[in-house]
Amino acid sequence: DAGITQSPRHKVTETGTPVTLRCHQTENHRYMYWYRQDPGHGLRLIHYSYGVKDTDKGEVSDGYSVSRSKTEDFLLTLESATSSQTSVYFCAISELPSGRASEQFFGPGTRLTVL
Amino acid sequence: AQSVTQPDIHITVSEGASLELRCNYSYGATPYLFWYVQSPGQGLQLLLKYFSGDTLVQGIKGFEAEFKRSQSSFNLRKPSVHWSDAAEYFCAVGAVEYGNKLVFGAGTILRVKS
Repeated sequence: DAGITQSPRHKVTETGTPVTLRCHQTENHRYMYWYRQDPGHGLRLIHYSYGVKDTDKGEVSDGYSVSRSKTEDFLLTLESATSSQTSVYFCAISELPSGRASEQFFGPGTRLTVL
Repeated sequence: AQSVTQPDIHITVSEGASLELRCNYSYGATPYLFWYVQSPGQGLQLLLKYFSGDTLVQGIKGFEAEFKRSQSSFNLRKPSVHWSDAAEYFCAVGAVEYGNKLVFGAGTILRVKS
């Protein structure tokens, strides 16, 4: 299995509070991704990173920000959590961009509940 | 916009029966195609992938998939389903036209009857 860990694995928080999720990899892959998974929607890309300090938005980026100060860590922040952000969040990594022949490897996920 | 369609939200098959899960994508001159499986409470595991060459690809756990460019399809098959195959299956497509992203289908939940 690819060396990807996510923390925390479960979190319950209240509306309006800030939340940060962490993804850590030991594979030294350049590309890292944050997805959210909701029933009936599959996985939707929130943000991705193509290098240290290089990030870009995905299809559902509103209300989320990311940072990548080291190759191995990719942080997802909800500045002010809302109930619509209750979801399961997955981190993924890849050696090459997904527009080329390169699979993504996924972390175990973080279940976030916003009350 | 680019899209990946998995027409079946749920499929139920009997143990030992054959299985086919459908996947269609909107466009991509040179698509890179993937099937992932997710067991309850788990992350996604890569079943198989197609990059180029032989359009019939073999994956783990006895699964195979066939790329048909004329139909923009990448259907997943297994000749004999086991109870442990019950899970959710996701098709994903990457292409230069999609940028640095994979686009996922909504998933198909497989139930296996004993």
